[in-house]
Amino acid sequence: GQNIDQPTEMTATEGAIVQINCTYQTSGFNGLFWYQQHAGEAPTFLSYNVLDGLEEKGRFSSFLSRSKGYSYLLLKELQMKDSASYLCAVMDSNYQLIWGAGTKLIIKP
Amino acid sequence: GAVVSQHPSWVICKSGTSVKIECRSLDFQATTMFWYRQFPKQSLMLMATSNEGSKATYEQGVEKDKFLINHASLTLSTLTVTSAHPEDSSFYICSARGGYGRGPPETQYFGPGTRLLVL
Repeated sequence: GQNIDQPTEMTATEGAIVQINCTYQTSGFNGLFWYQQHAGEAPTFLSYNVLDGLEEKGRFSSFLSRSKGYSYLLLKELQMKDSASYLCAVMDSNYQLIWGAGTKLIIKP
Repeated sequence: GAVVSQHPSWVICKSGTSVKIECRSLDFQATTMFWYRQFPKQSLMLMATSNEGSKATYEQGVEKDKFLINHASLTLSTLTVTSAHPEDSSFYICSARGGYGRGPPETQYFGPGTRLLVL
């Protein structure tokens, strides 16, 4: 079966750095997405990785290792507004998105 | 562009009535639209995939006669919850693919969601 694993909840301090991990087992791979979802709102696109390595976009970076079936989202200089759920999603061989359950990130002052 | 709108944002209805939710891609033509539902503190659950001019593909366990999807144009898809019951209360979110946002062409861009409460 297809499976995406990510931690249910994480807590971090304002100004710090946090890394949210995602491991996956899917039938085929056509890229991995990270989305941010604030409570009561729809997800918004953060990043996409299809090749191994690190993609940096401002305070947010995303890493992919296809051989390990592993990705992480790195958030630097955390701000209170970063409190949200972060969803990992893998596009399988049929170009279907397989969604993780999401990681709720709590930022404390 | 990659802006998706959804209407209404909130709906409260009596049990047994039907509710229609519209999803529009405002600044691009969506090759494919998707309908999700999400229960509190749970992840997105894909209900169906919709392509313009063809029948929607429903996920296993989703009743196609209960959740009617019409994708009449490249910018509009509608979801009708027929004879709604309290257990249909949920957050319904649509997404569209084919926009020119910050991601690759396969990126799904989401509407703001519709919160349905069936009394």
